[in-house]
Amino acid sequence: NAGVMQNPRHLVRRRGQEARLRCSPMKGHSHVYWYRQLPEEGLKFMVYLQKENIIDESGMPKERFSAEFPKEGPSILRIQQVVRGDSAAYFCASSPPKGSGGETQYFGPGTRLLVL
Amino acid sequence: QKEVEQNSGPLSVPEGAIASLNCTYSDRGSQSFFWYRQYSGKSPELIMSIYSNGDKEDGRFTAQLNKASQYVSLLIRDSQPSDSATYLCAVIGAGGTSYGKLTFGQGTILTVHP
Repeated sequence: NAGVMQNPRHLVRRRGQEARLRCSPMKGHSHVYWYRQLPEEGLKFMVYLQKENIIDESGMPKERFSAEFPKEGPSILRIQQVVRGDSAAYFCASSPPKGSGGETQYFGPGTRLLVL
Repeated sequence: QKEVEQNSGPLSVPEGAIASLNCTYSDRGSQSFFWYRQYSGKSPELIMSIYSNGDKEDGRFTAQLNKASQYVSLLIRDSQPSDSATYLCAVIGAGGTSYGKLTFGQGTILTVHP
């Protein structure tokens, strides 16, 4: 049973470009979460999604960042016009539906974004 | 006050000893608590979840929860050098917009020396 998959694992962008990070949850999981870990800092929640719905985006920066989890395909975290401060590890986690251990989140390997 | 606070590290213990990691949280209504381990450059790996007051054991790991004191801990018995990592305490809040969102402590770096 494959775990949470993220790609790319490493992404280099120049300032002003767009970054697209993809996440495929574990099989049977319907909840996806995105977290960011800045260098030498802790993990911070960004957004929580279910299929076609954003449940909680309280941790998302107001500008340049967006997330989606379409009916088909992976969840996408999109960062427009990247700046050097966006350089971080971005982790996706997934959990099963509520009522079946739904609160336990399993993390993917992460995408390391470097903005030059 | 930080929402989730862990004892300041780094923590260094000899091989075979018990490592004790502590965490306090501010949201009194929190119901779900997790310990993750993160090796340098890797993603967080779930070690334990705990939901009820008391102890929960899994192999060499024991999680302890005291909701009245808003305190959760992780004990690692017979510590091994391979346990050397950053340990993250995470909490899911009481509900509403907090549901589903893990709030992490800053982590405690554990080093187990031979």
